[in-house]
Amino acid sequence: LQLQESGPGLVKSSETLSLTCTVSGGSISTNSFFWGWIRQSPGKGLEWIGSIYFGGSTYYNPSLKSRVTISEDTSKNQFSLKLSSVTAADTAVYYCARHMAYKQQRGADHWFDPWGQGTLVTVSS
Amino acid sequence: QSILTQPPSASGTPGQRVTISCSGNTSNIGTNTVNWYQQLPGMAPRLLIYRNHQRPSGVPDRFSGSKSGTSASLAISGLQSEDEADYYCAVWNDSLDDYVFGPGTQVTVL
Repeated sequence: LQLQESGPGLVKSSETLSLTCTVSGGSISTNSFFWGWIRQSPGKGLEWIGSIYFGGSTYYNPSLKSRVTISEDTSKNQFSLKLSSVTAADTAVYYCARHMAYKQQRGADHWFDPWGQGTLVTVSS
Repeated sequence: QSILTQPPSASGTPGQRVTISCSGNTSNIGTNTVNWYQQLPGMAPRLLIYRNHQRPSGVPDRFSGSKSGTSASLAISGLQSEDEADYYCAVWNDSLDDYVFGPGTQVTVL
C-alpha cells in the first residue's frame, strides 16, 4: 500500500488549502480502515488534522474542526483535505496516512500506517 | 503544547540501551493503547510500535514498547547509528476525541 500527497505548495493567506492523497496498492472503499491527514510545522511536532471512514464519516481535531473538510473520491481512490482561512501558522508538511482504529473493551487502538512522503505547503501573505 | 510529555532528548553510545518515556493521563494512555513513531531526518514518520508493544513487520526487535498506568516507554537496545532520529509517542485521547502526539524525543548516538 502506498500513499502520495499532491497539491499546491504555495497558498495565500486567508485562502483555502487543498490537498489530495492518492492511494495505490489497495482500495479506500473498505470498511476496515480510516484515512487521515497529519501535519508538521517546520521544526515542530506532529498534529493530527482529521480522518475519514469509507462512506463519509469524518473525525476532526477539535482545534481545527471549524476550518477542515475531508472528503473521499472512491472512483479515483483518493481522499482530500480542505483547510479554509489559512494563516502563516498553517505552513507545514502535510502527510496522509491509513488510519487503523479499533474499539476494544479494554480501550481504543488507533495508529497510522503507512504514511505518504509528505508535501510542504507554505502560506504566503 | 502537547498533553503528552516526552523528554526532548536522549543519547547513548553504540550498543547501549536507551529508554524514552511518555506520560499522559487517564483519558489517553490510561485507557487506550500507545503507538510510537520514528522520524529519520528529512523523512516521513514510520510506525515503530502499535498496541503498546506490537512491532510491524520489518521493525527490528531491538525496539520494544511497554505501558503501565498513564505512562509508556520505548526502549532501543543495541543502539545503532541509524537509530538517530526523532521518536514520537501517540494515543487516542478520549476527553476530546482526538489523536494526540507527544512533543518528540531526539535520540543522538554519541
